[in-house]
Amino acid sequence: GQQLNQSPQSMFIQEGEDVSMNCTSSSIFNTWLWYKQDPGEGPVLLIALYKAGELTSNGRLTAQFGITRKDSFLNISASIPSDVGIYFCAGQMSDKLIFGTGTRLQVFP
Amino acid sequence: DAGITQSPRHKVTETGTPVTLRCHQTENHRYMYWYRQDPGHGLRLIHYSYGVKDTDKGEVSDGYSVSRSKTEDFLLTLESATSSQTSVYFCAISESYSLNTGELFFGEGSRLTVL
Repeated sequence: GQQLNQSPQSMFIQEGEDVSMNCTSSSIFNTWLWYKQDPGEGPVLLIALYKAGELTSNGRLTAQFGITRKDSFLNISASIPSDVGIYFCAGQMSDKLIFGTGTRLQVFP
Repeated sequence: DAGITQSPRHKVTETGTPVTLRCHQTENHRYMYWYRQDPGHGLRLIHYSYGVKDTDKGEVSDGYSVSRSKTEDFLLTLESATSSQTSVYFCAISESYSLNTGELFFGEGSRLTVL
């Protein structure tokens, strides 16, 4: 079935650094989404992208829907300790919603 | 925050025993979903419901059944639990059909360990 390759698997960064993660697939998607999961909680939707090439910001977060519709990236600027968690990408197409395996982010003061 | 409550939050059981997880919502959303989360697999859809008594299978439905007798409650049952069903289970809800939009509100999860 469809797979989303999410990278990196984990990141250890210092507070204040910028972060970049991405998701790629061999399949084309109609929508790309990014979720964040805090420890012990369920995922929470951060950003949804609906058009190829779309660039969307939500505070310090910026995400883009790749022009080929097969990839997406998420950037976090000036990281803070509460950015710690697992970030999941998700792609939607043809009545299916596929989740990536997640990027675990650790932020050190 | 969407009003979703999962119970129990933690359960340890033995192989072969039945287990039921409950999801309760106060948002009156039409659609409800059960996912499981495992390392290396992300979130995978088990079953979903698009209304009272209306349910359908997801990609990993074998060994699971669901029921929805009221808008607010969606039950996930493992008739005879196996060790491969050790996982964290998430309930999710959406106002519109999320498999078309991808936009879901998740509960806090239920951690199930099958010994």
